[in-house]
Amino acid sequence: GESVGLHLPTLSVQEGDNSIINCAYSNSASDYFIWYKQESGKGPQFIIDIRSNMDKRQGQRVTVLLNKTVKHLSLQIAATQPGDSAVYFCAENPHGSGNTGKLIFGQGTTLQVKP
Amino acid sequence: EAQVTQNPRYLITVTGKKLTVTCSQNMNHEYMSWYRQDPGLGLRQIYYSMNVEVTDKGDVPEGYKVSRKEKRNFPLILESPSPNQTSLYFCASSKTGEGYTFGSGTRLTVV
Repeated sequence: GESVGLHLPTLSVQEGDNSIINCAYSNSASDYFIWYKQESGKGPQFIIDIRSNMDKRQGQRVTVLLNKTVKHLSLQIAATQPGDSAVYFCAENPHGSGNTGKLIFGQGTTLQVKP
Repeated sequence: EAQVTQNPRYLITVTGKKLTVTCSQNMNHEYMSWYRQDPGLGLRQIYYSMNVEVTDKGDVPEGYKVSRKEKRNFPLILESPSPNQTSLYFCASSKTGEGYTFGSGTRLTVV
């Protein structure tokens, strides 16, 4: 069945280092992917998205890479800051661009930033 | 301010007593959705709506109802809540082709 999974439940990094959070997906038909950040006591917050016609997209301090061959997604955070500490989720739209309502979330990776 | 507003934030109820969690968005988004979040199970989609009067099941729709009579509102109805519906619920909305914007959550406890 469809699943979106993350490789590591917890990632601990030193402040100022770069962070890489990984995600594997299983549905080859998925063509839209999103990374969300969830801080304690809050709802998920959109970070960055990517469509399947791209393999890389950059935002402010964040980069998402998509490897459709191995169905792998990653989120890179440059110069990680204490405010980046949160749970990060990848999400997958399995229906294609015609219907973006269904969005499947992975289990999440907790990013801990050490001062 | 553009936002998704859900109420109440916290709710404790008893088994079998019907309840409604409201959700509204002021961004004129076409899509709206409900998720529940449980430890170890992540975020699971309950229902979503593509527009007024158009809804579809997510991965865990059993025990829930939704309606989309107006574009801005998407209430979640639990006709007969049970303890296994104790969870943190999130409402979300989006424009077509974009990712969801989430509300702040409703923590529901069914005793």
